[in-house]
Amino acid sequence: KNEVEQSPQNLTAQEGEFITINCSYSVGISALHWLQQHPGGGIVSLFMLSSGKKKHGRLIATINIQEKHSSLHITASHPRDSAVYICAVRSGGSNYKLTFGKGTLLTVNP
Amino acid sequence: KAGVTQTPRYLIKTRGQQVTLSCSPISGHRSVSWYQQTPGQGLQFLFEYFSETQRNKGNFPGRFSGRQFSNSRSEMNVSTLELGDSALYLCASSLGAASPLRGTDTQYFGPGTRLTVL
Repeated sequence: KNEVEQSPQNLTAQEGEFITINCSYSVGISALHWLQQHPGGGIVSLFMLSSGKKKHGRLIATINIQEKHSSLHITASHPRDSAVYICAVRSGGSNYKLTFGKGTLLTVNP
Repeated sequence: KAGVTQTPRYLIKTRGQQVTLSCSPISGHRSVSWYQQTPGQGLQFLFEYFSETQRNKGNFPGRFSGRQFSNSRSEMNVSTLELGDSALYLCASSLGAASPLRGTDTQYFGPGTRLTVL
């Protein structure tokens, strides 16, 4: 079992829909990251969180430390949101590394 | 402020050769991490450098090595290339911090170097 599991693997939505991508992890962490990767490879860090909830524009990220679960929500989705969304966890303690989920491919159709 | 730059962007090598990739972090950033991305394994952590010292290393063979210079620029080297080393190699920089705050700052990714091994 992977340390970081994302669901769904693929997601197709219509423009304007509310999107939720889930991430579950099995290890103790110091922080969780949500990343966005567009075709061509460029990765952008969307959120880094260790508790609670963060919001940036139409994007909302939440984390439940007790349940080892995080969600990324996109409100009023747009075709430009089409990308791969990757969850990554940073290990706690002295083992300082990022472990990545396999990613969720989101396609938003106009 | 300029972003993270990586050179070269594309590289084609043959099995058995070695390769050196370069990463220039955002000015003022002291931490550089390297990642490998393949279709099968996804993103995997290679190693992280902070102030010219390797702070952590992922589960890759010794053929993969790196270093960081006093200006925070970093290089990674892969010796005796194998077909399976074909991948997108990404570096990311962050301000970096001493423990216990390590891991709490945002990473900024470069565009990557796409390595093809024939």
